[in-house]
Amino acid sequence: DTGVSQDPRHKITKRGQNVTFRCDPISEHNRLYWYRQTLGQGPEFLTYFQNEAQLEKSRLLSDRFSAERPKGSFSTLEIQRTEQGDSAMYLCASSLGGFETQYFGPGTRLLVL
Amino acid sequence: AQTVTQSQPEMSVQEAETVTLSCTYDTSESDYYLFWYKQPPSRQMILVIRQEAYKQQNATENRFSVNFQKAAKSFSLKISDSQLGDAAMYFCAYRGVRDDKIIFGKGTRLHILP
Repeated sequence: DTGVSQDPRHKITKRGQNVTFRCDPISEHNRLYWYRQTLGQGPEFLTYFQNEAQLEKSRLLSDRFSAERPKGSFSTLEIQRTEQGDSAMYLCASSLGGFETQYFGPGTRLLVL
Repeated sequence: AQTVTQSQPEMSVQEAETVTLSCTYDTSESDYYLFWYKQPPSRQMILVIRQEAYKQQNATENRFSVNFQKAAKSFSLKISDSQLGDAAMYFCAYRGVRDDKIIFGKGTRLHILP
């Protein structure tokens, strides 16, 4: 069990560019979650998957955001036409099932200039 | 909508002493889960302790224990014999039984004084 991993750990981009983050959950975990954490705040839910199906999306997830989990293993979160307000830590978590503990990755810190 | 409130942005405690972090929440549900997560500086968030609302007995994990007051919607975390490694941001969190997302408070930054 190597834990949840995220790549990259840090990303600096210019406003208007597209960025993509990757999350690798703990193997055999069928649930995968994305959260966003801004400075001084707790994490806020964005979306989650059960296997490859995206089951819920938060209103925070605007049209510029898209998440996929094509084979039910790793997931990607893409932000198109980044804005300065997108600057945040993007956290991924996974769990074995719906009522099981969510294990968090180290996060990807995004800075939009 | 459910909310989680942590009224103490920062706290300090002397090493080896006991500290209590406060948390209140609001929900109309009768069954749910409550959590305390720890986020050390530049490290990933880990679960400290979990409480099922239907259980009257307060959860404990080694030096960590909670005081769960369901009627008051209060869920405080007590850390006994504080250690330098306990320094971190602590988040109180809620999840409904029919919901997969976790709702977090804003956090309490805990400093341990040597």
